[in-house]
Amino acid sequence: DVKVTQSSRYLVKRTGEKVFLECVQDMDHENMFWYRQDPGLGLRLIYFSYDVKMKEKGDIPEGYSVSREKKERFSLILESASTNQTSMYLCASSPSGNPYNEQFFGPGTRLTVL
Amino acid sequence: DQQVKQNSPSLSVQEGRISILNCDYTNSMFDYFLWYKKYPAEGPTFLISISSIKDKNEDGRFTVFLNKSAKHLSLHIVPSQPGDSAVYFCAALPSNSGYALNFGKGTSLLVTP
Repeated sequence: DVKVTQSSRYLVKRTGEKVFLECVQDMDHENMFWYRQDPGLGLRLIYFSYDVKMKEKGDIPEGYSVSREKKERFSLILESASTNQTSMYLCASSPSGNPYNEQFFGPGTRLTVL
Repeated sequence: DQQVKQNSPSLSVQEGRISILNCDYTNSMFDYFLWYKKYPAEGPTFLISISSIKDKNEDGRFTVFLNKSAKHLSLHIVPSQPGDSAVYFCAALPSNSGYALNFGKGTSLLVTP
């Protein structure tokens, strides 16, 4: 059974803290994605990676960075958390070769920045 | 600018009736469309997709219709069940941009007994 796991379901951080959100997939997928979901805005792509050490900016990369040192793990980093980064963060993965392959999502991390 | 639009934030339907969720898009390069379903506190799960070479795709109670000239697609759920109550996201993939999906804002469906 395919599985995408995220390190925390709920996280509370203070403004200015460095925040790491971890995502692990066990499907040997090449592609991994980070989205944020906000009410009335849907899912917006922050960054994605199509291979180890490769990354591409999505629609809203400002204030975020990512790391992909191993194929199964994709980390989202908030260098200095701000209150406008309070959101639900969703990680996804998909196999390469066919861009029409569905993306499999993790359960999400609800981050609150105080 | 939102390229995939779901203009109805919510929809309420009685159990057993048809649910119709609509989605419009502006980018003519989109050639593949997907619907995802999301329950609270869970990640979205893939529901059904359609390629731009088709105008209909059916999977059990779920059918997606695509009208390319109108840049419109719709998801039909027949018959609707209370377990279908969730947020439904329409997503589109352009032919020239690899793997990044463009999502709509979602429509919250409530199916009442």
